[in-house]
Amino acid sequence: QKEVEQNSGPLSVPEGAIASLNCTYSDRGSQSFFWYRQYSGKSPELIMSIYSNGDKEDGRFTAQLNKASQYVSLLIRDSQPSDSATYLCAVNAPLDTGRRALTFGSGTRLQVQP
Amino acid sequence: GAGVSQSPSNKVTEKGKDVELRCDPISGHTALYWYRQSLGQGLEFLIYFQGNSAPDKSGLPSDRFSAERTGGSVSTLTIQRTQQEDSAVYLCASSLQAGQGNGYTFGSGTRLTVV
Repeated sequence: QKEVEQNSGPLSVPEGAIASLNCTYSDRGSQSFFWYRQYSGKSPELIMSIYSNGDKEDGRFTAQLNKASQYVSLLIRDSQPSDSATYLCAVNAPLDTGRRALTFGSGTRLQVQP
Repeated sequence: GAGVSQSPSNKVTEKGKDVELRCDPISGHTALYWYRQSLGQGLEFLIYFQGNSAPDKSGLPSDRFSAERTGGSVSTLTIQRTQQEDSAVYLCASSLQAGQGNGYTFGSGTRLTVV
């Protein structure tokens, strides 16, 4: 089982719709979760972080975390063609592992159709 | 500097040659990370540095790979006797410190092609 799993997609949504991107992780003690956006040929850029169960909103983006289900998601409201990119989920290892580097999922490719 | 700087942006090398990739992190960031990304794949962790502590080398795929960080700032990733499977984009990132709450800022990467 991969430590961080994402559906590779592509996820295709019409402009103006809500895009829902999902991620599951295997380390139950993980505490910090991040979403990165990566445009084709570019490097990842951080768009959201979440540490507590529940929802965290930032503009059109909402991150949702459920530690009991080991599940984190990203909602993009009013999707725009400029949101078309690959979205990477990243998770910190539990403190007792001694690992300090983020583990990344393989990403979900989002296509927003005009 | 304002961002994480990597050089060169592109490198084409012959199989069997050694290559050096450079990363200059954001000023004041004590943690520095190297990842690589093969075409259409996710990010594979290679190594990270935190201040003067011993680096975590657990992600290096073979003993042909090594990295150093001089003076707690600039880092160099060296790949000896390159193989075609080493072809990938090598990404460097930095953060304020390695820890639970800090996201990374990535450089623009070095695209390595081994022919």
